[in-house]
Amino acid sequence: QKEVEQDPGPLSVPEGAIVSLNCTYSNSAFQYFMWYRQYSRKGPELLMYTYSSGNKEDGRFTAQVDKSSKYISLFIRDSQPSDSATYLCAMSGGTSYGKLTFGQGTILTVHP
Amino acid sequence: EAGVTQFPSHSVIEKGQTVTLRCDPISGHDNLYWYRRVMGKEIKFLLHFVKESKQDESGMPNNRFLAERTGGTYSTLKVQPAELEDSGVYFCASSQDPTSGGFTDTQYFGPGTRLTVL
Repeated sequence: QKEVEQDPGPLSVPEGAIVSLNCTYSNSAFQYFMWYRQYSRKGPELLMYTYSSGNKEDGRFTAQVDKSSKYISLFIRDSQPSDSATYLCAMSGGTSYGKLTFGQGTILTVHP
Repeated sequence: EAGVTQFPSHSVIEKGQTVTLRCDPISGHDNLYWYRRVMGKEIKFLLHFVKESKQDESGMPNNRFLAERTGGTYSTLKVQPAELEDSGVYFCASSQDPTSGGFTDTQYFGPGTRLTVL
């Protein structure tokens, strides 16, 4: 069983839609939860991170962590065609603080 | 400020050959990481350097892979001999200065080296 599960999609939405991306995980040691965005032929770029449970908002993006359910989400409001990318959840914690464990990534397309 | 750079961007080799990938981290970043993404799978951690020392190499697949970071600056990842299953995209990332036991600084990723083993 993978430590982090993420639906690879692909997900296609119209411009302006609210997008919900999710990951589940099994390792209770994870304390830091991140969302990366990756454009084609580029490396992943950190979008948001959250420590432990709770919500964090940054502009059109909201990250949520529910440690009791081992479930994290990223919401994108008023989605734009420029949001089209692969979104990767990543986690770290325990003794290997530098090691990121990634989900498979969800391919998102926002069409005009 | 220059980001993380990787060379080459793409390498095509035959099974049994040797390939060396290079990563130049952001200047001043003590931490350097290697990750790999095999097609259809998630990005997986390979190893972590703090300056020139290997902090964690738990993700290295086998002894055909050798990573070095002489002088604590750039790093190389050598695959010798390459096998078909080594094909994938190899990412390098760097971060500045993690405090012990805490969240690392943001890991900045390079564009990756796409390795194809025929």
